[in-house]
Amino acid sequence: DARVTQTPRHKVTEMGQEVTMRCQPILGHNTVFWYRQTMMQGLELLAYFRNRAPLDDSGMPKDRFSAEMPDATLATLKIQPSEPRDSAVYFCASDNSYPNTEAFFGQGTRLTVV
Amino acid sequence: QKEVEQNSGPLSVPEGAIASLNCTYSDRVSQSFFWYRQYSGKSPELIMSIYSNGDKEDGRFTAQLNKASQYVSLLIRDSQPSDSATYLCAVNTINDYKLSFGAGTTVTVRA
Repeated sequence: DARVTQTPRHKVTEMGQEVTMRCQPILGHNTVFWYRQTMMQGLELLAYFRNRAPLDDSGMPKDRFSAEMPDATLATLKIQPSEPRDSAVYFCASDNSYPNTEAFFGQGTRLTVV
Repeated sequence: QKEVEQNSGPLSVPEGAIASLNCTYSDRVSQSFFWYRQYSGKSPELIMSIYSNGDKEDGRFTAQLNKASQYVSLLIRDSQPSDSATYLCAVNTINDYKLSFGAGTTVTVRA
């Protein structure tokens, strides 16, 4: 059963702490997206990679967010330092249907910053 | 102007009726169009994709695309309570292939 796997599923942290979220894309998928979902903003694209190369991270606050793809089976999204306004559900999605982008989502990481 | 706009809803329909969802997009070079379904507390799930003008049917779902009007819609026929969810329209642009989402329309099917 091919699926995108995200860890952790839930994270509660204190303001100022570092948070790392991980994503394992579907095997063979070469595009990875990071989205953030809140009630107010909906699904916002933070960054995406193709063949491990970052294509666009203009949706991320650069001073505190960073996204990397150290190998084809792992993508990471890091927040340092975290702030209460970062509380949201963070989704990773992967795709291998370039150029049509039929993306499959992971279960998400629900982040709460107190 | 947002890249992808959806009728805000919520939309309430009786069981067995047709639910009609609309989406407009701003980028004329958009090339691929998708509908995702998201149940409360769950992740978005791809239910339809459409790439060329016209209609595409899959079971009780029909997607319609009109590139000249920059408009894509989703019809849910014979709506069931299990169709109650938020439906997200997504658009892929040819220049950079990023996938942008609308805010979603929440559908409630009344039994």
